[in-house]
Amino acid sequence: ETGVTQTPRHLVMGMTNKKSLKCEQHLGHNAMYWYKQSAKKPLELMFVYNFKEQTENNSVPSRFSPECPNSSHLFLHLHTLQPEDSALYLCASSQDGGGTEPNTEAFFGQGTRLTVV
Amino acid sequence: AQKVTQAQTEISVVEKEDVTLDCVYETRDTTYYLFWYKQPPSGELVFLIRRNSFDEQNEISGRYSWNFQKSTSSFNFTITASQVVDSAVYFCALRIASNTGKLIFGQGTTLQVKP
Repeated sequence: ETGVTQTPRHLVMGMTNKKSLKCEQHLGHNAMYWYKQSAKKPLELMFVYNFKEQTENNSVPSRFSPECPNSSHLFLHLHTLQPEDSALYLCASSQDGGGTEPNTEAFFGQGTRLTVV
Repeated sequence: AQKVTQAQTEISVVEKEDVTLDCVYETRDTTYYLFWYKQPPSGELVFLIRRNSFDEQNEISGRYSWNFQKSTSSFNFTITASQVVDSAVYFCALRIASNTGKLIFGQGTTLQVKP
C-alpha cells in the first residue's frame, strides 16, 4: 500500500442511511484532512486533524461526523444526508511542521464518489 | 481573506501546442505557499509543485514550467508541447504559513489536449 487510500471508491446511499468513509495514509504524516469537491465549485476544506486532534471544522453540518482514531486513519461518518451532499470526498494528509518547519505538501487519495438519493 | 482565482474554466488545445494556465492569488500574509495539483479522471489530486513566497525563481521540470510573480500575485503554469495524457483538471492552491495545512483552492482549469 502506498500514499493515501480511500474506501469505498463509490457509494450510493439513501437519505435515511448511515454510512462511513474511510481514509488511510501510509506516509507517516501527522495531519489529515477531509475535502469536499462539488460540481462547479472549488474544493472545500471540511475538517483538519493534527496529531489526532480536530483543529478545524469549517462550518460543516452535523450530519457529517469525523473520527480520527490514530494519525494513520480518518473516517467520515454520514447520516441523514441530503441530495446536495452528493460530491467527491477527498482525504489528504501532510506532515505538520509544528510552526518551526513548513508543512509538507498535501497528498490526496482518489476520493469517494458519493451519491445521495 | 485569502482567495485563489483561475479565470480559465476550460482550455482546449491540439497536441504539441504550448498552453499556459493562469492563477492569481490574494493574501495579506507575507509568508505563504503556492501549489499546483493535477486531477486526472481517476480523481486523486497529484501534487506538481510547491513554491514559497520568498522564492520567486521560476522552475522548469521537463515540459512543465512555472512563473511566479509577486508583483502581480500570479503563479502561472505552462505545459510545453502538450500531450493527450496532460488532459486533466488543474488546480492552483494557496496555503498561508500561519494556517496549519489548510489549502485554499481555485476553481480549477479543465485542460483538454486533442490528438
